[in-house]
Amino acid sequence: SQELEQSPQSLIVQEGKNLTINCTSSKTLYGLYWYKQKYGEGLIFLMMLQKGGEEKSHEKITAKLDEKKQQSSLHITASQPSHAGIYLCGAARIANNLFFGTGTRLTVIP
Amino acid sequence: EAGVAQSPRYKIIEKRQSVAFWCNPISGHATLYWYQQILGQGPKLLIQFQNNGVVDDSQLPKDRFSAERLKGVDSTLKIQPAKLEDSAVYLCASSSPRTYTDTQYFGPGTRLTVL
Repeated sequence: SQELEQSPQSLIVQEGKNLTINCTSSKTLYGLYWYKQKYGEGLIFLMMLQKGGEEKSHEKITAKLDEKKQQSSLHITASQPSHAGIYLCGAARIANNLFFGTGTRLTVIP
Repeated sequence: EAGVAQSPRYKIIEKRQSVAFWCNPISGHATLYWYQQILGQGPKLLIQFQNNGVVDDSQLPKDRFSAERLKGVDSTLKIQPAKLEDSAVYLCASSSPRTYTDTQYFGPGTRLTVL
C-alpha cells in the first residue's frame, strides 16, 4: 500500500520568512495534489503536479515534483498570516481518488 | 459557479444513534467522493461514485455506513448505528472526468461528534 509522509508535522514561522514543506511517497507518484485546509473548513485546491521535474507557482506559493516522482515540495516565499493553515498533499490513485498525507500545520506569527 | 454544498455543518449525536449527511456537487461534475477526516489525520476515502454507480467503496465500513447517489447528482451518506470512533469531519468532493487526473473540489464538511 502507498504511504505519504509529510514533514515537518508542524511549523511556526515569523511573518515574512520563507518556508518549505515536503511530501515523500513510498511509490511513484502519477499525480500529486496540494491542498490547504483552515480549521473547521474544507480543502482548498492549490496545485497539481504530474510530470517529473514539474514546477508550478501561484502567488507566493511554489510546488515542485522531483524527477523520480517520489517527492514533492511546497515553498512559500515571504509568509503572511493568511498562509496559516494545514497543508495536505494527496496522491492520485488509479480511480482518481486521493490518498492523503497527515498534513503540515503552519502557524505564521505577525 | 457554486461550490460543493454540504449539510448539516455540525451534528452531535449519542452512540448507537443514526445520522445522515447530504452533499450536492458542483453542477456538471459526474464524480462524487466522500472522505472521512479524523482529527490530526489526512482525509481517507470512504466511497467514490461515477454518476450513480460506485467506483470504489473498499474502505467503507459497510456494516454501519451506507451511501447513495440515486439520480447521479446529490448524495447521502448514512451511519447506523454510530460509534464513538466515527467522530470526524465528513468531506464531500466532486470532479469532472474530462482528464485522467482531474481536480477534486471539496465542500466545507460536516463535523460529527458522537458522545
